Amino acid sequence: DVKVTQSSRYLVKRTGEKVFLECVQDMDHENMFWYRQDPGLGLRLIYFSYDVKMKEKGDIPEGYSVSREKKERFSLILESASTNQTSMYLCASSPRHGQPQHFGDGTRLSIL
Amino acid sequence: DAKTTQPNSMESNEEEPVHLPCNHSTISGTDYIHWYRQLPSQGPEYVIHGLTSNVNNRMASLAIAEDRKSSTLILHRATLRDAAVYYCPHYGGSQGNLIFGKGTKLSVKP
Repeated sequence: DVKVTQSSRYLVKRTGEKVFLECVQDMDHENMFWYRQDPGLGLRLIYFSYDVKMKEKGDIPEGYSVSREKKERFSLILESASTNQTSMYLCASSPRHGQPQHFGDGTRLSIL
Repeated sequence: DAKTTQPNSMESNEEEPVHLPCNHSTISGTDYIHWYRQLPSQGPEYVIHGLTSNVNNRMASLAIAEDRKSSTLILHRATLRDAAVYYCPHYGGSQGNLIFGKGTKLSVKP
C-alpha cells in the first residue's frame, strides 16, 4: 500500500513565524500535492509538483511556497504565518497526472 | 471547467446497500471518474475509479452511466465504519487537477 506521511498531526505556531510542513511518500510517485481543507470550503489546492525541483501554483498559493529537492519529499512553507492560515493541511501523491491520489492523514495547524 | 454535483447528505441502515450518486454532465471523454471518502479526522482515501465500464474492488463498486454523465458508488453492505464524506472530484483548474467539492456526508444507523 502507498504510504504518505506528514510530519505532524497537530502543530501550533505564532503569527509571523516561518512554518515548515513536511510530507514523504514511499511509492516513487511523480506528482505530489498540498491542499488545505476548511469547513464549508472543501479541499483547495495550494501547490503541486510533477517532478523534482518542479512546482506549479494551485488555486490559493498566496502566502505559501514549496520545495521538492528529492522525489519522495514535498515541503510546504508558510513564509510568515498568519491567523487566516489556521487550517487542516493535506498532502497527497499520485503516480502520474490524472491517476488516483493518495493522501496523508493531515496536519491540523493553528496559528495564534 | 467540468463540475460534479452530489447530494449534501444521505442516510443508510447498517448492512443495507448504499447507492451514492454523482452527476458529472460536463465531463470530457478522456477524464476518469474518481471516488474518494474521508473518515473523521483522516485524510481522503481513494475508493475507486473508472472510465467507461463498471468497476469493482474490495471496497465498493462503481456504476457508470452509458453516456458518462453520472455515476453511482455502491457500498454493498454498509457498516458503521463506512460513515464518511464521499467525494467524486472533477478535473479542472489551470492544470487540470482533481477538484474536490463538498461531497456527500453518509450517516449509517445501527
